[in-house]
Amino acid sequence: EVQLVESGGGLVQPGGSLRLSCAASGFTFSSYEMNWVRQAPGKGLEWVSYISRDGRTMYYADSVKGRFTISRDNARNSVYLQMNSLRTEDTAVYYCARELGWLQAYFDYWGQGTLVTVSS
Amino acid sequence: EIVLTQSPATLSLSPGERATLSCRASQSVSNYLAWYQQKPGQAPRLLIYDASNRATGIPARFSGSGSGTDFTLTISSLEPEDFAVYYCQQRSNWPPFTFGPGTKVDIK
Repeated sequence: EVQLVESGGGLVQPGGSLRLSCAASGFTFSSYEMNWVRQAPGKGLEWVSYISRDGRTMYYADSVKGRFTISRDNARNSVYLQMNSLRTEDTAVYYCARELGWLQAYFDYWGQGTLVTVSS
Repeated sequence: EIVLTQSPATLSLSPGERATLSCRASQSVSNYLAWYQQKPGQAPRLLIYDASNRATGIPARFSGSGSGTDFTLTISSLEPEDFAVYYCQQRSNWPPFTFGPGTKVDIK
C-alpha cells in the first residue's frame, strides 16, 4: 500500500525556519517525481515545489523561490522541504504528493498533510 | 502562467442528480488536465487525468471531457459521498502546475 507521511509542521514566528519531511512507503520511491502542494486555511490548492527522481532538477512557485528548498534522499525514501524566511502568508497545510508517472505530472497519492502556522 | 477558472463556485444538487462542473484555461492545455475531489479534513484524491482517463479505483459515474481550453467533469448520479470540493489542475505548461479555485458540490 502506498503511503506518504508528512511531519515537521508547527508554529513558527515570521522570519523563522522549518523543515518538513515526507516518508514514503509501498512503492519504489526512486522511480517517482515528488512535489509539495499547500492549502491555506479555507482556501484552494497551491503547488509549491517539484523534484525529479534523481534529485537533480527542482522547480519552485514564484511565491517561495529563494526561500524554500526541496530535496530528497532515495536511500531513506524521503522528500524534504526546507522553509526559510517564513511569512504569515505561508501558513497552510503542506502535502507531499507523488506524480502519477513519467511525464504524467498529476498527483495520484497524497500524504495527510502537516500544518505550518506562521504567526507572532 | 496558465490560469484555470472553475464554474460554478457552488453547485447545489440532490443525491441522484447529475452534476456538471466546468474548468476553463487561459490558454490551451491540450488534454493535460486533471480533476481532484477533496472532502473536509482530507487530502485531495485524483479522479480524472489527461482530461478523460479515470484514475485507479474511481467509479464509472465520474467522467471527464474536453480539450484545449474548456473541460467538464460530470458525475452522472450523485452519491452521498460525492458532496465535496472539486479542483482542476493543468500540467501543460509548467512550472508552475496550477489549480483552479474549486467548485463546491453541496446538498440541496
